[in-house]
Amino acid sequence: GENVEQHPSTLSVQEGDSAVIKCTYSDSASNYFPWYKQELGKRPQLIIDIRSNVGEKKDQRIAVTLNKTAKHFSLHITETQPEDSAVYFCAASIRSGAGSYQLTFGKGTKLSVIP
Amino acid sequence: DAGITQSPRYKITETGRQVTLMCHQTWSHSYMFWYRQDLGHGLRLIYYSAAADITDKGEVPDGYVVSRSKTENFPLTLESATRSQTSVYFCASSEPGGADTQYFGPGTRLTVL
Repeated sequence: GENVEQHPSTLSVQEGDSAVIKCTYSDSASNYFPWYKQELGKRPQLIIDIRSNVGEKKDQRIAVTLNKTAKHFSLHITETQPEDSAVYFCAASIRSGAGSYQLTFGKGTKLSVIP
Repeated sequence: DAGITQSPRYKITETGRQVTLMCHQTWSHSYMFWYRQDLGHGLRLIYYSAAADITDKGEVPDGYVVSRSKTENFPLTLESATRSQTSVYFCASSEPGGADTQYFGPGTRLTVL
């Protein structure tokens, strides 16, 4: 099955700096890559996703890049703010035969933004 | 987010007892999922369901049972709870063919003594 590795496990940045989280996946058939943000004690929430036919996607201060050849994808957060502090999870999946995506998650990155 | 709920939010039980965690969604999503979240392991899929009466195993199904008699409900049962099943359990739902986003419930923190 799919295996997703996520690095680093913890990341501290100064407010205003950029943060980058990297993930690799094992199954070349994977074609959907979402990123989730989980604040302390809360549920994971989707912040951005990318499909395999796209190399990069941006949404305001957040961007995701995908390198299918190397089987890795990254989350970039620019101009970080204290409210960006959370645990971020990457995931990868293949559309199943019945039509939906079964996600395999990385182990998470705890991002701390220092004011 | 209010469209998917879980109950109870917190549960303490003893080894060997049966426990059922409930998940209810109001979106009529076809797919529903159960994950467990443990420190150092991220989110791991226990079971998922493509529609009513259709369920399948995920990565860590041992010790768990699911059913889905109605589209909106997807209960997870621990038939004989063990300490290793102490975890936070998240239910999620999605609708294939659309955005494919999985929407998570608020979670149930289960402690097995």
